[in-house]
Amino acid sequence: NAGVTQTPKFQVLKTGQSMTLQCAQDMNHEYMSWYRQDPGMGLRLIHYSVGAGITDQGEVPNGYNVSRSTTEDFPLRLLSAAPSQTSVYFCASRALLAGGPHEQYFGPGTRLTVT
Amino acid sequence: AQTVTQSQPEMSVQEAETVTLSCTYDTSESDYYLFWYKQPPSRQMILVIRQEAYKQQNATENRFSVNFQKAAKSFSLKISDSQLGDAAMYFCACTSGTYKYIFGTGTRLKVLA
Repeated sequence: NAGVTQTPKFQVLKTGQSMTLQCAQDMNHEYMSWYRQDPGMGLRLIHYSVGAGITDQGEVPNGYNVSRSTTEDFPLRLLSAAPSQTSVYFCASRALLAGGPHEQYFGPGTRLTVT
Repeated sequence: AQTVTQSQPEMSVQEAETVTLSCTYDTSESDYYLFWYKQPPSRQMILVIRQEAYKQQNATENRFSVNFQKAAKSFSLKISDSQLGDAAMYFCACTSGTYKYIFGTGTRLKVLA
């Protein structure tokens, strides 16, 4: 199993550009999520999904879109990049089983810089 | 709303000694789960240990153990026989049945040879 994969690992964008961060998992997990990690702020939830066709907002959703057309993939779209979106982005997944386990499995992260 | 607080931005420990990282949380849910994740310089998030709130017994994983004080809403991580490879950022996290995970701001652990 590859687990959770993310592409690209690094990306530099200019203000106003759009891009999609890719995330895929091969563990047949129903739950997938996106976080951003900023210095001194830990990980903050952007969006999450509990299955194909179902998404919901997290703590910091503004400026980001998601969709979930398959169980495996959960892309994150930046519609018009802003310098405030400079961050490290993590995708994570977990199985939704009654009684757990509830830990998430994380991808390797994408470092995004917006100039 | 859930909150998770890690009040120690940075800690240091001598190799082979024991260190305890603090975490306090707040939740109105009766059923929740707590985690410690390790993030080494590679950036990969690695699960260290988990604790189900309904279990009174403290979780242990080899050199890692927790002190779970439910009434005090405290969830500290003890690392015994510290090794150079333990140097990393450590994040405490909490989730209940709402699918939302809340992370603390992290504690950077330095291990001194």
